[in-house]
Amino acid sequence: GAVVSQHPSRVICKSGTSVKIECRSLDFQATTMFWYRQFPKQSLMLMATSNEGSKATYEQGVEKDKFLINHASLTLSTLTVTSAHPEDSSFYICSAREIGTYTDTQYFGPGTRLTVL
Amino acid sequence: GDSVTQMEGPVTLSEEAFLTINCTYTATGYPSLFWYVQYPGEGLQLLLKATKADDKGSNKGFEATYRKETTSFHLEKGSVQVSDSAVYFCALSNFGNEKLTFGTGTRLTIIP
Repeated sequence: GAVVSQHPSRVICKSGTSVKIECRSLDFQATTMFWYRQFPKQSLMLMATSNEGSKATYEQGVEKDKFLINHASLTLSTLTVTSAHPEDSSFYICSAREIGTYTDTQYFGPGTRLTVL
Repeated sequence: GDSVTQMEGPVTLSEEAFLTINCTYTATGYPSLFWYVQYPGEGLQLLLKATKADDKGSNKGFEATYRKETTSFHLEKGSVQVSDSAVYFCALSNFGNEKLTFGTGTRLTIIP
């Protein structure tokens, strides 16, 4: 149980294009999903907290117009990197917290490696 | 604010050696503590957790005990295997805050 998937697992795009990454909770419903960015050999940096049916909450320093987050349903959140540039190349990981549980455990997706040429 | 300090890596051990990865934290209130593991090219997997003082989390031969008096949550395993090679992250969550605060990660390599 508690499986989170991400799609795609890898994406290569040209500079200036937009890329959408999907995060799905497969066997549970999640009111809250989180998006992280991980640089090589570094820890995870929380980018934003995504709540179903409401606007995402972005961490300080994260451009909300560049990293668009949509939490359309209790099992799906999407991150769109708009007008991507090489410095956006990174490993993006989402996580989800199960609805209705008084647990603070987050379940992580396998990550999406974005390379912007 | 909350913070997690992990032992710096990389750590290289021989198979069947004893493993300790130190983790200490600073937090208000009574946080939950976690160890996550990240295998090469993959996302994070929850390894174990503890939600209150003196709790011991355990999984796959790994253990960690929530020590409030020393604000620590050290990860241990009695006999490591090559398949344990990964990056290990210590993390905390203050209930009601929702966010996980991660340590910097410790890369572990086990050689046969």
